Amino acid sequence: EVQLVESGGGLVQPGGSLRLSCAASGFTFSRYSMNWVRQAPGKGLEWVSYIIGSSTSIYYADSVKGRFTISRDNAKKSLYLQMNSLRDEDTAVYYCAITPEDNSGRCFAYWGQGTLVTVSS
Amino acid sequence: DIQMTQFPSTLSASVGDRVTITCRASQSISSWLAWFQQKPGKAPNLLIYKASNLESGVPSRFSGSGSGTEFTLTISSLQPDDFATYYCQQYSSYWTFGQGTKVEIK
Repeated sequence: EVQLVESGGGLVQPGGSLRLSCAASGFTFSRYSMNWVRQAPGKGLEWVSYIIGSSTSIYYADSVKGRFTISRDNAKKSLYLQMNSLRDEDTAVYYCAITPEDNSGRCFAYWGQGTLVTVSS
Repeated sequence: DIQMTQFPSTLSASVGDRVTITCRASQSISSWLAWFQQKPGKAPNLLIYKASNLESGVPSRFSGSGSGTEFTLTISSLQPDDFATYYCQQYSSYWTFGQGTKVEIK
């Protein structure tokens, strides 16, 4: 069974930093590309960042480019999001979501339960 | 950037109704479109991928159609478990979600 468990969320002051983690199990981790998606309170979904299984291809949404860094450790079956220079508007539930690299087109097939990041003074 | 416009934003319907949600892309995305269902306090769940492919385990009352810039999600006979918010997502160029459609009980 595919399981994705996010952690690392919490309350942080504007300008501060936070590192999110997503621990994976139940599938061959290196064969899945991974994403972070966020959802501000009462709002819709916003894609944040992408990393391919080999870590050779990485993308960011314009809203976080230069402030957030995505990475993964295939040996530890973990995904990370380093968030720096946090702003009020970064307040959201952050989800990890995975896509199998099998050309099936099953984009964002599995999601974690999310971790809440609150940026406030 | 590709923009996704989803409508209606809210839909009131009764159990047994046929429901259709529309999603329009700002440029052609071929069939690179997915539909997700999200219930309050839960993560989204993939329903449809590549515009018309039903994800394993999803009831057959859900169907998707369209290509290019216009897409629809249809629920053939609305069930109590279907009251939720639905999002379309393009994955032709990066990833963009529609604004969501909340399906409410009439």
